[in-house]
Amino acid sequence: DQQVKQNSPSLSVQEGRISILNCDYTNSMFDYFLWYKKYPAEGPTFLISISSIKDKNEDGRFTVFLNKSAKHLSLHIVPSQPGDSAVYFCAATVTGNQFYFGTGTSLTVIP
Amino acid sequence: DAGVIQSPRHEVTEMGQEVTLRCKPISGHNSLFWYRQTMMRGLELLIYFNNNVPIDDSGMPEDRFSAKMPNASFSTLKIQPSEPRDSAVYFCASSEARWEQFFGPGTRLTVL
Repeated sequence: DQQVKQNSPSLSVQEGRISILNCDYTNSMFDYFLWYKKYPAEGPTFLISISSIKDKNEDGRFTVFLNKSAKHLSLHIVPSQPGDSAVYFCAATVTGNQFYFGTGTSLTVIP
Repeated sequence: DAGVIQSPRHEVTEMGQEVTLRCKPISGHNSLFWYRQTMMRGLELLIYFNNNVPIDDSGMPEDRFSAKMPNASFSTLKIQPSEPRDSAVYFCASSEARWEQFFGPGTRLTVL
């Protein structure tokens, strides 16, 4: 059973526009959420995270929003750049004792 | 630091053969994770170690899979006997703090 779901397998966005990647989860015990970015033939790399006690975390062009009541997480990239084209994985954990990843969303930023 | 090192990068084997995947974590990291990536299920955590001790292996699919970490700088994931449905990309990751994991480049396994 997928506890973390990314229902959009792919997304295309024009350069300079906002990219919004979504993630839903089912386990209300998750207390930490992470986004990873993956280029082809490479391992995922950590991008940004958020604790369950917050509803927003920002790092440069990347902002993660958490809506606990809806069990929904989103990653905003503004402005989107061609180098952002990659697969993005959402992950969640309960005190770091188990990690659950989504199936990923492939983002293409069109120049 | 070279990052997490995995070998081999690609492995093609026949059904029934034993497969051993290797991982060298980042020096100083005390947690090590093995993941499997498939199109259908994304990244699945198979097992993780803390200070060389297996903490949770509930993600290991069946007894054909085993993992060891004999010391802080080396871990193996073994599949015996391998089956075509084991074909996937296997990632090793290590971390110092629990939250941020550093992934290796992965091993693409194909079982014919």
